[in-house]
Amino acid sequence: GQNIDQPTEMTATEGAIVQINCTYQTSGFNGLFWYQQHAGEAPTFLSYNVLDGLEEKGRFSSFLSRSKGYSYLLLKELQMKDSASYLCAVKDSNYQLIWGAGTKLIIKP
Amino acid sequence: GAVVSQHPSWVICKSGTSVKIECRSLDFQATTMFWYRQFPKQSLMLMATSNEGSKATYEQGVEKDKFLINHASLTLSTLTVTSAHPEDSSFYICSARTGGESGANVLTFGAGSRLTVL
Repeated sequence: GQNIDQPTEMTATEGAIVQINCTYQTSGFNGLFWYQQHAGEAPTFLSYNVLDGLEEKGRFSSFLSRSKGYSYLLLKELQMKDSASYLCAVKDSNYQLIWGAGTKLIIKP
Repeated sequence: GAVVSQHPSWVICKSGTSVKIECRSLDFQATTMFWYRQFPKQSLMLMATSNEGSKATYEQGVEKDKFLINHASLTLSTLTVTSAHPEDSSFYICSARTGGESGANVLTFGAGSRLTVL
C-alpha cells in the first residue's frame, strides 16, 4: 500500500529552527509537496520538490532524497504565526496526491 | 494569485436534510476540481474529482448517491450532501489546480466548509 509518515506533533521555541520529516512509500513518484494548514482553515502551498536536493524559499526550505523516500521541511527563525499543521503529500505514478496526516507544530515563546 | 472561493464556511443542519456546498474559481477556469473531506486530526481524504461537463470520478468507498457533485461550468462545482447524518459532520474542502512551479500543478484550496449535522 501507499504510505506517508510524519510525526504527529512537534514543539519548538520562537526564534529557533525546526525540521519536520516525511518518509513515503508510494507506487511511483512525481513530486512531493508541503502545505501549511492553520487550525480550521484550508491548506496553503509551501513548497514542491521533484528532484533531489534543497529548495530554499525565505525562512522555509524543503529537502528531498528520492532514493531514501525522504523529505524534510526546515523552518528557520520561527514565529508564533508558524504554529500550524504541516502536510506532506506525494504525487504517485498516476499523478494522484497521497497525503500524510500532518504534523502539528506548536511554537512556544 | 488564483483564488478558490468556497461557500458556506459553516453550516449546521438537521439529520435527514441536504446541504449544498459551492466552490468557485475566481479569475481562472477550472476544468477539474477536487473535493476533500477532513476529520479532526486526520489527513485530507480525496472524495471525488469533479470534471466540467461530465460525471465526477469518485474514490473507493465514497457513495455517489449521497455526495452529489455537479460541475456545470468552468468556474463552479457543487457538492451536495444528501440525507445528511451526524457521521457526515466534517470539514469539506474543494481545490483546483492552478499551475505553479515547474509544472507542479499546485493545488489552491477553498477556505473549507465545516458541516455539523445534528
